[in-house]
Amino acid sequence: SQELEQSPQSLIVQEGKNLTINCTSSKTLYGLYWYKQKYGEGLIFLMMLQKGGEEKSHEKITAKLDEKKQQSSLHITASQPSHAGIYLCGAPGPGGNQFYFGTGTSLTVIP
Amino acid sequence: NAGVMQNPRHLVRRRGQEARLRCSPMKGHSHVYWYRQLPEEGLKFMVYLQKENIIDESGMPKERFSAEFPKEGPSILRIQQVVRGDSAAYFCASSPQGQGAGANVLTFGAGSRLTVL
Repeated sequence: SQELEQSPQSLIVQEGKNLTINCTSSKTLYGLYWYKQKYGEGLIFLMMLQKGGEEKSHEKITAKLDEKKQQSSLHITASQPSHAGIYLCGAPGPGGNQFYFGTGTSLTVIP
Repeated sequence: NAGVMQNPRHLVRRRGQEARLRCSPMKGHSHVYWYRQLPEEGLKFMVYLQKENIIDESGMPKERFSAEFPKEGPSILRIQQVVRGDSAAYFCASSPQGQGAGANVLTFGAGSRLTVL
């Protein structure tokens, strides 16, 4: 099965600071997806990256995909308390039938 | 469009009872995924279904767990003879198709939280 390792496991930052979350795959990536989960709730889709070198931004969140390194990074600029939650990367398995998630990164933003 | 609806949101069962969790996918979505999230752990894939078919159940425990997605009605995750270790949040997600670009943008429900006493 595909394994997605995220780092760091948890992060506490002061409001206004920038931060980066990384996701590394044990196998070839056929696309990489970022989701956010607020505590006690379901997941919300953030972004999808499908090509090596692809970079997408939405508001203050930017995600990049390095296909060769089987890695993706999620960068938040000028963090706000509303960014707090658990960030999960996800990717389809080689056969396309399964969809795996990373170990998750818990983000706390201190006002 | 009501999104992915899961019910019940919270379910309490005693050891040995049965738990049934329901998931209605988004309108137009015919693919359903079930995940389990244990406290302090990530989301673990359980099963992937299309209407009337189980496509991949490699993440399902071999015993006591079953899933279905009938032609009419919601997808159901059934846990028989629950044990304390089954206590977890169970999430359902749906997508419009199973392959190809954009197919894996899963839309998640709010989850069903099972507590086994």
